[in-house]
Amino acid sequence: DVKVTQSSRYLVKRTGEKVFLECVQDMDHENMFWYRQDPGLGLRLIYFSYDVKMKEKGDIPEGYSVSREKKERFSLILESASTNQTSMYLCASSFTAGGGGTEAFFGQGTRLTVV
Amino acid sequence: RKEVEQDPGPFNVPEGATVAFNCTYSNSASQSFFWYRQDCRKEPKLLMSVYSSGNEDGRFTAQLNRASQYISLLIRDSKLSDSATYLCVVIAYGQNFVFGPGTRLSVLP
Repeated sequence: DVKVTQSSRYLVKRTGEKVFLECVQDMDHENMFWYRQDPGLGLRLIYFSYDVKMKEKGDIPEGYSVSREKKERFSLILESASTNQTSMYLCASSFTAGGGGTEAFFGQGTRLTVV
Repeated sequence: RKEVEQDPGPFNVPEGATVAFNCTYSNSASQSFFWYRQDCRKEPKLLMSVYSSGNEDGRFTAQLNRASQYISLLIRDSKLSDSATYLCVVIAYGQNFVFGPGTRLSVLP
């Protein structure tokens, strides 16, 4: 079974802190994604990566950055956490960027609260 | 117009009922289609892919109408355990997954 693991289920951080969310997948997937999910807004893509050291902005990249130094690991960084970044963060991976149609597998999510 | 739209919820149905969800997408170049299920405070999980000829998996039937850019999910003989949010997902060639906002289903005893 594909496994996508996020480092924390729950996090509480202070405004202005630098926050790292880690995601690891064990199926050698090329593509990895970070989403945030908020009530009434659905899943919104923050950043994605098609390969090691490659990254592309999604729909809402402002205030975030990412790092992919190894194929299996994709990190999301909140440079200076703000209260409007309180959300559920979901990492996903897949074999293709979507053209081949393989499904995305999700991690269990990290519920981040910024106080 | 949003890229993927779904029926607004919530749908409250009794056990044993048949319920249908609809999803429309705006990008005519879309090639792959899925239904995901998401339980409260959990991650989305693949329920089923949607094929051009339509497909069935037990009590679940998915249909695709490319001409109308429309996908449906039919759940027969609803169970309490079917209560969840159902997400429609669409992929166009070379693009990323686009998620619909989801439709919440509550199956009542």
